Amino acid sequence: AQSVTQLDSQVPVFEEAPVELRCNYSSSVSVYLFWYVQYPNQGLQLLLKYLSGSTLVKGINGFEAEFNKSQTSFHLRKPSVHISDTAEYFCAVTPGGNKLVFGAGTILRVKS
Amino acid sequence: NAGVMQNPRHLVRRRGQEARLRCSPMKGHSHVYWYRQLPEEGLKFMVYLQKENIIDESGMPKERFSAEFPKEGPSILRIQQVVRGDSAAYFCASSPLEQGGYGYTFGSGTRLTVV
Repeated sequence: AQSVTQLDSQVPVFEEAPVELRCNYSSSVSVYLFWYVQYPNQGLQLLLKYLSGSTLVKGINGFEAEFNKSQTSFHLRKPSVHISDTAEYFCAVTPGGNKLVFGAGTILRVKS
Repeated sequence: NAGVMQNPRHLVRRRGQEARLRCSPMKGHSHVYWYRQLPEEGLKFMVYLQKENIIDESGMPKERFSAEFPKEGPSILRIQQVVRGDSAAYFCASSPLEQGGYGYTFGSGTRLTVV
């Protein structure tokens, strides 16, 4: 069965600093990978997805992620964060079926 | 073009009551998925439905929970005889096709509090 591990439950960072949110997955089959963002009391918004092709995926709001098959990782990065990026970020995986398997989430706190 | 609409946004129920959560998919979407988010946890898949059919309910608790997606009207997630442990955020997503998650659009969720 697939599982997703988000290694950090909270990541504090100063505004305009770079950030990396880590995600590792376990699967014996090819998977599709996603990052979602959840602002307080809101639903999930898709940031980016990896289905195939280039391992570097660019998403909305300046975020990008790199798929590393050998390390089974899909870390999310942003070179310069803003206060408005404060939110919870979820990594998710699907082997192509109908359900997503989510990690426990990482709360990104951007400080001024 | 409205997104996925869930109502109510917040629902308070006393232990033993019934909770009904509604989800109207995006226009043109015929596939609906329900997920539950327990406090400080990620979302967990509950059930996948198409119109008038339950396709995958492998994440549904065996008792007290049911879901439907009738030919007309919204999808309903029903929880009978709620207990404190049912307190969570329930999210619905929809897609136009069976798209393995990458075609999902999520609603804003219903936050259920059992007192």
